[in-house]
Amino acid sequence: EVQLVESGGGLVQPGGSLRLSCAASGFAFHNTWMDWVRQAPGKGLEWVANIKKDGSEMYYVDSVKGRFTISRDNAKNTLFLQLNSLRTDDTAVYYCSATLDHWGQGTVVTVSS
Amino acid sequence: DIQLTQSPSSLSASVGDRVTITCRASQDTGDFLSWFQQKPGKAPKALMYGASNLQSGIPSRFSGSGSGTDFTLTISSLQPEDFATYYCLQYKSYPRTFGQGTKVEIK
Repeated sequence: EVQLVESGGGLVQPGGSLRLSCAASGFAFHNTWMDWVRQAPGKGLEWVANIKKDGSEMYYVDSVKGRFTISRDNAKNTLFLQLNSLRTDDTAVYYCSATLDHWGQGTVVTVSS
Repeated sequence: DIQLTQSPSSLSASVGDRVTITCRASQDTGDFLSWFQQKPGKAPKALMYGASNLQSGIPSRFSGSGSGTDFTLTISSLQPEDFATYYCLQYKSYPRTFGQGTKVEIK
């Protein structure tokens, strides 16, 4: 069974940083593109970033370019999202996903002073 | 960026009704389109990929069609567990983009 478990969310002040993790199991993580998608309170889904199987290619939505970094550790079956220079409009539930077919339960990031 | 516009934004329907949701793309997306269902407080669930292919375990009352710029998701006979918000997503190009969502409510 595919399992994706996010962690690392929390309350952070504007300008601060967080590192989200996503522990994967039940599938060939090293052979799977991985995505992060977020959802602001009461809003729709927004794709954030994804990363190729071997970590050699990454893509981002414009609003997070230069601030967020997606990475992965295939030896530990773990996906990461480093969030820097956080803004209040980054407040959202962050989901990790395997090829957008399988999703974790999400982790909440709140940016507020 | 490819913009996706769903219609309607919301609808009210009864159990047993046939429901159709449309998704229109601002550019040709081929058949690189997926549909998702989301219930309150839960993660999205993948329903369809490649515009018309059912994900494993999804009931056959769900179907998808279309290519290019116009797509539809149809629920042939609405069941109580289908009341949710539905989103389309294009994965033809970056950034991936979602439609704004269609909320299906009980009449």
